[in-house]
Amino acid sequence: DAMVIQNPRYQVTQFGKPVTLSCSQTLNHNVMYWYQQKSSQAPKLLFHYYDKDFNNEADTPDNFQSRRPNTSFCFLDIRSPGLGDAAMYLCATSRDSGSKRYTFGSGTRLTVV
Amino acid sequence: RKEVEQDPGPFNVPEGATVAFNCTYSNSASQSFFWYRQDCRKEPKLLMSVYSSGNEDGRFTAQLNRASQYISLLIRDSKLSDSATYLCVVTLNFGNEKLTFGTGTRLTIIP
Repeated sequence: DAMVIQNPRYQVTQFGKPVTLSCSQTLNHNVMYWYQQKSSQAPKLLFHYYDKDFNNEADTPDNFQSRRPNTSFCFLDIRSPGLGDAAMYLCATSRDSGSKRYTFGSGTRLTVV
Repeated sequence: RKEVEQDPGPFNVPEGATVAFNCTYSNSASQSFFWYRQDCRKEPKLLMSVYSSGNEDGRFTAQLNRASQYISLLIRDSKLSDSATYLCVVTLNFGNEKLTFGTGTRLTIIP
């Protein structure tokens, strides 16, 4: 039944070791978003794809990259994770750019050791 | 100044009581407003949209004051299951409608 699926739910990575988080959707939505939520903070948008068009937020560090090989999948790559990158990473989708209705995945909690 | 500001709480409220949260937003061009609920270590889930005329969904009432740029959420007859963090969310209608979240207000309902 899950429509936006994030894997894994929990990820532990070593300081500086590249890590990839994945998100898949069965909704055929055009827009996919990645949010970062640190403890007791608001979710912060990192970037989003409208179809294949990539839109980076101005303050998203270069350490964060994303790929969307097809409509269903979107990946978040952290090239050199630092301790400050430990957070919940939330993937969300919306039908199109004008849709206000988001569907969130259950998130991936990243720990950096 | 944060784009969306909320009192982080925590609010500890006895079961059955009424509780209200406020949220302020800085961008007067904001067009759409929402309350999301987030349980501990879970993803945010849409609770309700907020309209200028105010709207109600069961025990929940949301209000928008554009002149003062604040949004409110009222929960009546609170239940234990209402314990969660409530996130105030706004968007700008500029095509790509990214959600801008407040930090959330933590609510705990006490038996």
